[in-house]
Amino acid sequence: QQPVQSPQAVILREGEDAVINCSSSKALYSVHWYRQKHGEAPIFLMILLKGGEQKGHDKISASFNEKKQQSSLYLTASQLSYSGTYFCGTGDYTGGFKTIFGAGTRLFVKA
Amino acid sequence: EADIYQTPRYLVIGTGKKITLECSQTMGHDKMYWYQQDPGMELHLIHYSYGVNSTEKGDLSSESTVSRIRTEHFPLTLESARPSHTSQYLCASSEYRGSGANVLTFGAGSRLTVL
Repeated sequence: QQPVQSPQAVILREGEDAVINCSSSKALYSVHWYRQKHGEAPIFLMILLKGGEQKGHDKISASFNEKKQQSSLYLTASQLSYSGTYFCGTGDYTGGFKTIFGAGTRLFVKA
Repeated sequence: EADIYQTPRYLVIGTGKKITLECSQTMGHDKMYWYQQDPGMELHLIHYSYGVNSTEKGDLSSESTVSRIRTEHFPLTLESARPSHTSQYLCASSEYRGSGANVLTFGAGSRLTVL
């Protein structure tokens, strides 16, 4: 089942923060986050596997809730380079190693 | 530096032609995938492979077929292209990082236009 991402689109000014959510109706084995810039391939950002886990690097971090049905991606003090489409990808307990992606959140950071 | 290569990057072809999109990776990954993505839209899994001689259909029905005769090679074929096949096709492979974590590395994509 495809995860649900929200919001569909975000427009920010440089330095502002954003939160992107990804949710599923059933418990997930894993949540991946990828960013895709226009005309390019998606690039891996991070993966979360454990309920209650939080991780991040630089000013981009993510969390996975205790029930493992929701993840959030946090972008703080956004930079122009953060612009792109963010996808969450999920693996469930029945899907093996397949990763099913949400519809994506389009983020545009302006100066 | 790309470790997963897709050719052609762009292809414009007429209806009814047979096409093969090539995908090769040099990382020795067992698992490979094909995703279909319309411009600015979501990624749909159409095929995946556990390893050599293993292929499975993804969650989005596709008229394409795949083969996996060698670990590094995962071509996608359309026997008779139609305008509805116009899309971008992204190939990926995954690295197992322990505890069930399969991280995807994507190729640059093949953008197909069928007239």
